[in-house]
Amino acid sequence: DIQMTQSPSSLSASVGDRVTITCRASRGIGNYLVWFQQKPGKAPKSLIYAASSLQSGVPSKFSGSGSGTDFTLTINSLQPEDFATYYCQQYNSYPITFGQGTRLEIK
Amino acid sequence: EVQLLESGGGLVQPGGSLRLSCAASGFTFSSYAMNWVRQAPGKGLEWVSVISGGGGNINYADSVKGRFIVSRDNSKNTLYLQMNSLRAEDTAVYYCAKERGIDSWGQGTLVTVSS
Repeated sequence: DIQMTQSPSSLSASVGDRVTITCRASRGIGNYLVWFQQKPGKAPKSLIYAASSLQSGVPSKFSGSGSGTDFTLTINSLQPEDFATYYCQQYNSYPITFGQGTRLEIK
Repeated sequence: EVQLLESGGGLVQPGGSLRLSCAASGFTFSSYAMNWVRQAPGKGLEWVSVISGGGGNINYADSVKGRFIVSRDNSKNTLYLQMNSLRAEDTAVYYCAKERGIDSWGQGTLVTVSS
């Protein structure tokens, strides 16, 4: 199975900051990576697909990059509604696997 | 607009069975692979199963293999998950989700396995 490791596990930041979350795959997955945002008590929301393509309706403050084993999600100009948990998911091979999540908190 | 609506969750005793459904609309259901993903209380996301658009290709997580069965009825735009021999560790919110690289999620249905 491909292990997905996110770092950091938690992150404190202020409104207006830019933050970067990293996701590392245990072996190469090409660009078969998705990023999600999840708020407490809600279903996840898809942000980025194919590592760097923005899902329809997602603001351009979110961006993704990487290929192979190392990927990043960057969020510019943090707003209160951006504080949530973020997950990566690989879909290169089965079983599909998720990162353990990164909790983004207000400083 | 893609809509996915799960139903069928509830309280079940260990060893029992439950069938979840996911009604889909807003897209050509038969053209897309569909997943079940679960989330135990306070935990991360765990992929459970996937079924191809035509239903001919199916995969399961090891944790549910031999106990859960995924199926779909493309004439009814509905995805199913038959869950048998349920265990306490199957307690979770179950989401249906569209595409291998998931682009849409349902709101989830809670399954609680407890005596």
